[in-house]
Amino acid sequence: EPEVTQTPSHQVTQMGQEVILRCVPISNHLYFYWYRQILGQKVEFLVSFYNNEISEKSEIFDDQFSVERPDGSNFTLKIRSTKLEDSAMYFCASQQGRQETQYFGPGTRLLVL
Amino acid sequence: KNEVEQSPQNLTAQEGEFITINCSYSVGISALHWLQQHPGGGIVSLFMLSSGKKKHGRLIATINIQEKHSSLHITASHPRDSAVYICAVVSYNTDKLIFGTGTRLQVFP
Repeated sequence: EPEVTQTPSHQVTQMGQEVILRCVPISNHLYFYWYRQILGQKVEFLVSFYNNEISEKSEIFDDQFSVERPDGSNFTLKIRSTKLEDSAMYFCASQQGRQETQYFGPGTRLLVL
Repeated sequence: KNEVEQSPQNLTAQEGEFITINCSYSVGISALHWLQQHPGGGIVSLFMLSSGKKKHGRLIATINIQEKHSSLHITASHPRDSAVYICAVVSYNTDKLIFGTGTRLQVFP
């Protein structure tokens, strides 16, 4: 069965460093999302992406964050200058069409020291 | 105030018991999702509902749009059902999910 994959599974970085989290959505899906979950808290929406552009973003998704779909298969989340509070599990999700089931990747656990 | 509230926050059951987890929301929605999060963190979609009731194996999900309430039922619970169950809604004119805080279920043999 097709699945969403994410790499790396874990990443440790120093504060101020740039990180790129990678996702490969399911191949015929058109809608893509990034969510994050700080340890012990609920999952929060970061950004949605459709037709090669951001369709919606949350207040969390400030100028330090960016997303790209560089080659038609990967979907990346970049954090330009990481802060301690960026430490969280980051989930990618994809969806074939509007109002359909979202399929989640296994997550990338990011730790900023 | 959270837009999506779940109860209870924690639930302990003996194997074989019937489980109910509740979700209330305060926004207009186009759909509601029930998700399962395993101890390792992975999230699996169980149901997507916009009306009525859905059943998959031992799991049943219902939604009452007028009352802005949904329930997830597990019949004949099993230790492998132990996980966090999350309710998430899709509000009108958006595709993003708004998540509840989750219900941690532990089923003991």
